[in-house]
Order: sequence, then C-alpha cells, then structure tokens
Amino acid sequence: TQLLEQSPQFLSIQEGENLTVYCNSSSVFSSLQWYRQEPGEGPVLLVTVVTGGEVKKLKRLTFQFGDARKDSSLHITAAQPGDTGLYLCAALNTDKLIFGTGTRLQVFP
Amino acid sequence: DADVTQTPRNRITKTGKRIMLECSQTKGHDRMYWYRQDPGLGLRLIYYSFDVKDINKGEISDGYSVSRQAQAKFSLSLESAIPNQTALYFCATSDSGQLDYGYTFGSGTRLTVV
Repeated sequence: TQLLEQSPQFLSIQEGENLTVYCNSSSVFSSLQWYRQEPGEGPVLLVTVVTGGEVKKLKRLTFQFGDARKDSSLHITAAQPGDTGLYLCAALNTDKLIFGTGTRLQVFP
Repeated sequence: DADVTQTPRNRITKTGKRIMLECSQTKGHDRMYWYRQDPGLGLRLIYYSFDVKDINKGEISDGYSVSRQAQAKFSLSLESAIPNQTALYFCATSDSGQLDYGYTFGSGTRLTVV
C-alpha cells in the first residue's frame, strides 16, 4: 500500500511554462519533505513543511502543505531545463521516511 | 569526498550469488537506512538502524540482511541474489535530533542480477 501518491507520474513541458505537482495521502503527517533526484545521483532535500497551510518559496519553486496536513503541492514558475529531474515527496511515518511514487519532469529548451 | 559513499557504483552478478553493498558516511549521523528504487514505485525501505546495536526491518526486507559495523558503516547483503532484486539501491543517513533537515543520500548502487 502506497501511503503517498504523486501526480502526474510524468510531465514533459517547454521552457518557460508553469507546472504543479501533487502529493496526496489519506494519512495526516507532522511534516512533509520534497526532494529532487537527478540521473546518477541520490535525492537531495529541497524543503520541509511542518504547519498546515504553510507556504515556502525557493526561488521559482513554491511548496504548500495542505490545511489538514494530508497533502502538498509543488509549483514551478517559468520552468527551465535545469529543473529536469525526479521530484519525490516524503513524510515521516513512525520515525522513518516513506516516499511518494515520484513525478518525472522533463523541461525542453 | 562525498558525505555518504556507496560502493560499488555498479554491479552485475549471477543468480544465486551472495553480494554485499557497502555504505560509509562522514556526517556523524546516528541513523542509517537502505532503500531500493524501482521505476514507478519510488523509494522503498529495506532496513534501517538508529544506532550501532539497533537493526530494524523495513517494508521489503525479505531476501536481504544488514550489518552496522560502526556508526559510520552500514552494509546490505543479498544472500542469494535473484533477478527481481535488480534495482537501484540507496543508502541514506539522518540525525535523530534534526529530522526536519532531511536525509542525506549516497549516489546509489545499480545492481543487475542475471
């Protein structure tokens, strides 16, 4: 059973477009993290959100934690080829991280 | 040097062979983890260790074993490799006092069982 479902699974867009990736669960979490993974490397932490309704910005990336702390979204404004990668959400479940299924993003010049 | 080092980076092995994947860290973190990554399935936890004398099974531990030789070293063994263990394996570390700082991952080991 996958506790964290991400959508879409794949996304292919042109440079300059905006996009949103979703992470959904039926469980409530104390915090949620987003990671980006590039080919040949391990995931790297982008952000941690801990409060329901919280919004965090990291340059062109905006992360939001749902009010009920069951879901989260990642919005990228004016995507660039350097944003290409696998985006993973993750949440603590009894002291260890569980990961979502991932969204593979490809941004073409 | 990388904070979390995995060896080997790539390995091809035959069905039935025993294989060990190694992980070492310089972060000084107390917690270490082994994950497996398959397309469309994200990362799934195999084993984890919160301290040198602590070993815990994860979601998919069957067919795997681990050893925490020191705070900085955590190895994963496949006693008798089978083709459906072909996957990308990641070691990760975290600090129990700073869980919101996330996990630090190694670069992965790509294992192919033929």
